[in-house]
Amino acid sequence: RKEVEQDPGPFNVPEGATVAFNCTYSNSASQSFFWYRQDCRKEPKLLMSVYSSGNEDGRFTAQLNRASQYISLLIRDSKLSDSATYLCVVNGNYGGSQGNLIFGKGTKLSVKP
Amino acid sequence: GAVVSQHPSWVICKSGTSVKIECRSLDFQATTMFWYRQFPKQSLMLMATSNEGSKATYEQGVEKDKFLINHASLTLSTLTVTSAHPEDSSFYICSAHPARTYNEQFFGPGTRLTVL
Repeated sequence: RKEVEQDPGPFNVPEGATVAFNCTYSNSASQSFFWYRQDCRKEPKLLMSVYSSGNEDGRFTAQLNRASQYISLLIRDSKLSDSATYLCVVNGNYGGSQGNLIFGKGTKLSVKP
Repeated sequence: GAVVSQHPSWVICKSGTSVKIECRSLDFQATTMFWYRQFPKQSLMLMATSNEGSKATYEQGVEKDKFLINHASLTLSTLTVTSAHPEDSSFYICSAHPARTYNEQFFGPGTRLTVL
């Protein structure tokens, strides 16, 4: 089983749609979770951290289910500018404050007018 | 915010040559920097962890004699791909971890290497 697994997509949605991405991770000792966004041929950029209580940032909502080792990202009222690849990321240094990040392959989102 | 630069942004070289990539943290000090590689349609894969003033820690399967890492100061780490071959063609990205943040890493813009 891969350490971080995501549905690769692509997800093709119209503007204004709500879209959800899922991710599973294999190591139950993982402690830090993130969603990054990567545009074509660019570096990843942090979208949001994911907390057990769930967290929201504008149109974006992230959820973490530790029991199921499952992370989700919900995008509401999608915009053309949301088109990108969304990377599920888990910190690989279990228990440490620093460490390598383990990236999923990403889910590609394409928002159409 | 924390800014990380990389130079060059792209490079094309002949097989057998060596290429040096620089990673700089512009407005913070980074005791630890990370080097990743991303092949087309693949996830970022950690190559090595670079610690200022000490030897880098390489991930399994990454040849330390081929990918030389130097982290001589708190704001600069370099990756040298020695005797590059076409299979080394990839997108190389560095990241840095400011001491004041918890877990967050800031990525450089990446260097696209093409070996002919």
